[in-house]
Amino acid sequence: DTAVSQTPKYLVTQMGNDKSIKCEQNLGHDTMYWYKQDSKKFLKIMFSYNNKELIINETVPNRFSPKSPDKAHLNLHINSLELGDSAVYFCASQPGANTEAFFGQGTRLTVV
Amino acid sequence: KQEVTQIPAALSVPEGENLVLNCSFTDSAIYNLQWFRQDPGKGLTSLLLIQSSQREQTSGRLNASLDKSSGRSTLYIAASQPGDSATYLCAAEDSSYKLIFGSGTRLLVRP
Repeated sequence: DTAVSQTPKYLVTQMGNDKSIKCEQNLGHDTMYWYKQDSKKFLKIMFSYNNKELIINETVPNRFSPKSPDKAHLNLHINSLELGDSAVYFCASQPGANTEAFFGQGTRLTVV
Repeated sequence: KQEVTQIPAALSVPEGENLVLNCSFTDSAIYNLQWFRQDPGKGLTSLLLIQSSQREQTSGRLNASLDKSSGRSTLYIAASQPGDSATYLCAAEDSSYKLIFGSGTRLLVRP
């Protein structure tokens, strides 16, 4: 069983489109995250939810909107995609603060 | 603002060598320091987590140390194998539950 699963694994789309990435964890963790890994492989946090409540919102354009329907799911919706949004997006979860983080396999988003 | 740096950016060693990867952080007010492994096209796999009150953690051939006062952590890999080839990332978790990542060390272990 995959602990943290993301869909899709690859996403190629045109500029201006709206797309969503889904994430599910079956670990019973309270906290979930979205991270972005850019072309230089640098990982940076975007959002964090604890038990469906937004607790971290970094300086991310408001075209990015996370949604957590329940504590096992954290989806990422992106409006009006731009070329600069091309990156690998990782979902992660932790039982709580100061614990081991578990990452999904990543979603490679390419905007053309 | 926490900044995490990893040196070297890339490392190539022959199989069997012992090696050390370095990680430094600017703000010592961390909850923990975590080491991850990333294989090409894959997600991150957690290797070791060192709590702020701990000095080191060991798992198999891996040993990670933490010196908060100097803002440094090291990952020691003993008797390296080709299967250890990957990118190794360190991350400091701060009081706002964020993991701040370094840019990684790309390791190649040559057979």
